[in-house]
Amino acid sequence: DGGITQSPKYLFRKEGQNVTLSCEQNLNHDAMYWYRQDPGQGLRLIYYSQIVNDFQKGDIAEGYSVSREKKESFPLTVTSAQKNPTAFYLCASSIGMQGRNEQFFGPGTRLTVL
Amino acid sequence: DAKTTQPPSMDCAEGRAANLPCNHSTISGNEYVYWYRQIHSQGPQYIIHGLKNNETNEMASLIITEDRKSSTLILPHATLRDTAVYYCIVRALSNFGNEKLTFGTGTRLTIIP
Repeated sequence: DGGITQSPKYLFRKEGQNVTLSCEQNLNHDAMYWYRQDPGQGLRLIYYSQIVNDFQKGDIAEGYSVSREKKESFPLTVTSAQKNPTAFYLCASSIGMQGRNEQFFGPGTRLTVL
Repeated sequence: DAKTTQPPSMDCAEGRAANLPCNHSTISGNEYVYWYRQIHSQGPQYIIHGLKNNETNEMASLIITEDRKSSTLILPHATLRDTAVYYCIVRALSNFGNEKLTFGTGTRLTIIP
């Protein structure tokens, strides 16, 4: 099946620890995105990547880092510098062609920092 | 990006058409209207998008007013599985098709049995 996978679905960490969230896609999409969602709120963009080995900060990049070493993978690290990391994290991808911007989302990872 | 305004919540009877409005009075000529929905605790799902003509696909229809200042998403025969938060987003397209999407708080649609 083609799609986006995120693992794990639920993640618990102690305060002060870095944690890496996985995002993999087999859709052959060029562009990938990370969003954060807080309860009752919309999605906010953390980082996005248009092509391999390139990425840009979104609206709330502070305290996060990413890498894009492979087309199919875009892991997100939540560092100890992120003041309020408990949230629902969503990864998405899009084909990256003119006129086509449908973003396909993974199931999300719910991170709780204790 | 043009700002959008949606009602916070709506109810619709199962089997009836659900009509979800969206105001985007500051939309510019090169901006598209996108609709996504998010079922509880899942990732958002793309529904449909359009520029100025009405659009229809297997999930829904999108009606955009002639002045493009508002639009309506129509789910023709709503089912209980259509209960979700629906987001209306306005965004221009670049040459790369990798635009950021700004999600507001959307409309929480509840389908009533």
